[in-house]
Amino acid sequence: DVKVTQSSRYLVKRTGEKVFLECVQDMDHENMFWYRQDPGLGLRLIYFSYDVKMKEKGDIPEGYSVSREKKERFSLILESASTNQTSMYLCASSLGAGVKVEQFFGPGTRLTVL
Amino acid sequence: RKEVEQDPGPFNVPEGATVAFNCTYSNSASQSFFWYRQDCRKEPKLLMSVYSSGNEDGRFTAQLNRASQYISLLIRDSKLSDSATYLCAVNNPSGGYQKVTFGTGTKLQVIP
Repeated sequence: DVKVTQSSRYLVKRTGEKVFLECVQDMDHENMFWYRQDPGLGLRLIYFSYDVKMKEKGDIPEGYSVSREKKERFSLILESASTNQTSMYLCASSLGAGVKVEQFFGPGTRLTVL
Repeated sequence: RKEVEQDPGPFNVPEGATVAFNCTYSNSASQSFFWYRQDCRKEPKLLMSVYSSGNEDGRFTAQLNRASQYISLLIRDSKLSDSATYLCAVNNPSGGYQKVTFGTGTKLQVIP
């Protein structure tokens, strides 16, 4: 079974703090993704990576950056947290092959910015 | 028009009923389709993948209609444990990548 883990289930941070969210997958997947999920808005893609040290902006990258130094690990960084970044953050991974690109999700990190 | 659209529901159905959800997509070049199940405050979990016309797994059947650009999920003999939100996801080739877009989900409540 694919296993995707995230560093924290719940986080509370203050406005202006730098926040690191980490994601690790154990299935040697090429692709990794960061989403946020908010009520009524669904899953919105922040950034994704298709290879080590490669990254691409998703639909809502503003206020975020990412790092992928190793294939199994993909980090999301909030440079200066703001209250509108309070959300559920979900990491996912998938194989890079053809159309079989099912994504497998981690348990999520519920971030509250005060 | 949104890339992927779902009726948010909720669909309230009695135990044992058959229920179907539709998901419409806008890109006719979409190549593969997925249904995920998401329980409250949990992550989405893959339920079914559809690469051609459809797929069946026990009580669950997914059907793809390329002409009308929708995918459906049929649940037979609904159980209380089927209560969840069902997300549709569509894969489109985009700039050399395979981009998956998710719908906002359809909420199902199975009632005793």
